[in-house]
Amino acid sequence: AQSVTQPDIHITVSEGASLELRCNYSYGATPYLFWYVQSPGQGLQLLLKYFSGDTLVQGIKGFEAEFKRSQSSFNLRKPSVHWSDAAEYFCAVGLYSSASKIIFGSGTRLSIRP
Amino acid sequence: GAGVSQSPRYKVAKRGQDVALRCDPISGHVSLFWYQQALGQGPEFLTYFQNEAQLDKSGLPSDRFFAERPEGSVSTLKIQRTQQEDSAVYLCASSPSGGTLNEQFFGPGTRLTVL
Repeated sequence: AQSVTQPDIHITVSEGASLELRCNYSYGATPYLFWYVQSPGQGLQLLLKYFSGDTLVQGIKGFEAEFKRSQSSFNLRKPSVHWSDAAEYFCAVGLYSSASKIIFGSGTRLSIRP
Repeated sequence: GAGVSQSPRYKVAKRGQDVALRCDPISGHVSLFWYQQALGQGPEFLTYFQNEAQLDKSGLPSDRFFAERPEGSVSTLKIQRTQQEDSAVYLCASSPSGGTLNEQFFGPGTRLTVL
């Protein structure tokens, strides 16, 4: 069955430090891949998505992610985090076999150390 | 323009009570999705509408859950005879057109607590 794994439940980084959030997926074909961010009291917001082509994807707010087929990974990165980046981050996969269904990981909570 | 709105934002129900959760999608958006997000988990797909047609309801956990979108805009998720395990945040999302290729715009959610 298709699944998304985010192995880190909670990560704390210092403001200005680099960030990498891990995401692994299980799917028989190349999936559509997404990263969403959820801030307290706000709806989920799409950071970036990958469908095909260049495996390094640029998103909003200075985030990027790299699709690595050999590792079934789609890790999210940011070179220098800001206090406003503190939030919950969700990796998700959309399926070719479904016109509608997106499967979300369980999320990684990011805290920023001043 | 306005984003996706949901009401109520918070709902407390006694076990066995029926509840109705409303979603107002972005005007003109064809697709509408409902998700259930349990505490500490990612959202889980419940159901999908394209206009007024419910094309996928495979995620609805039981026949106590029912969703409708009669005029292809506002949608209501109804839960009958609520149980404690129904406690969660219910998210609604809309998209300009069909399919998972398109960005889904999420509402703030309705937090349902069943006592």
